[in-house]
Amino acid sequence: QKEVEQNSGPLSVPEGAIASLNCTYSDRGSQSFFWYRQYSGKSPELIMSIYSNGDKEDGRFTAQLNKASQYVSLLIRDSQPSDSATYLCAVDIDTGGGNKLTFGTGTQLKVEL
Amino acid sequence: DTEVTQTPKHLVMGMTNKKSLKCEQHMGHRAMYWYKQKAKKPPELMFVYSYEKLSINESVPSRFSPECPNSSLLNLHLHALQPEDSALYLCASSQDQGRSSYNSPLHFGNGTRLTVT
Repeated sequence: QKEVEQNSGPLSVPEGAIASLNCTYSDRGSQSFFWYRQYSGKSPELIMSIYSNGDKEDGRFTAQLNKASQYVSLLIRDSQPSDSATYLCAVDIDTGGGNKLTFGTGTQLKVEL
Repeated sequence: DTEVTQTPKHLVMGMTNKKSLKCEQHMGHRAMYWYKQKAKKPPELMFVYSYEKLSINESVPSRFSPECPNSSLLNLHLHALQPEDSALYLCASSQDQGRSSYNSPLHFGNGTRLTVT
């Protein structure tokens, strides 16, 4: 089982709709979870971090965490064409020698006009 | 603009060349990282430095040699690379790399696009 799993997509949503991106992880001890956005040819950009069960909202973005189900999601409200990118879920895993951020394969989001 | 600066932005090198990638941050972060990213793949961790000491080496071939001269600088020395090493090389930093990374997300530089011919 992969440590962090995401559907690769592409996920296509119309402009103005809600985009829902999902991620599951295997390490029950993980404590920190991040969503990064990466435009083609660019470096990943942190958009959300979440550490506690429940929802965390920042503007049009909402991260949701359920540690019991080992599930983290990202909702993007009022999706815009500029949101078209690959969204990487990253989970912090304690290796015993230090923390290691492990990325999922990413979900490609396409917001269509 | 990112607060982690990488140079050069692009690098083309032959298999017999020696070159270095450089990374600098002035956020007071004590952990610095090298990642390698191939097209349509997620970033893969190569090395982690914590408080200027190498803490993680993900079994990277010796043709890649990291160096952390001080807490703000991170280098990656390249020698005798192969064409399959062509990729985007990303430097990142975080506040620390302790037992818990609460409030310690990674901040990435813009990367160096490396092509090995």
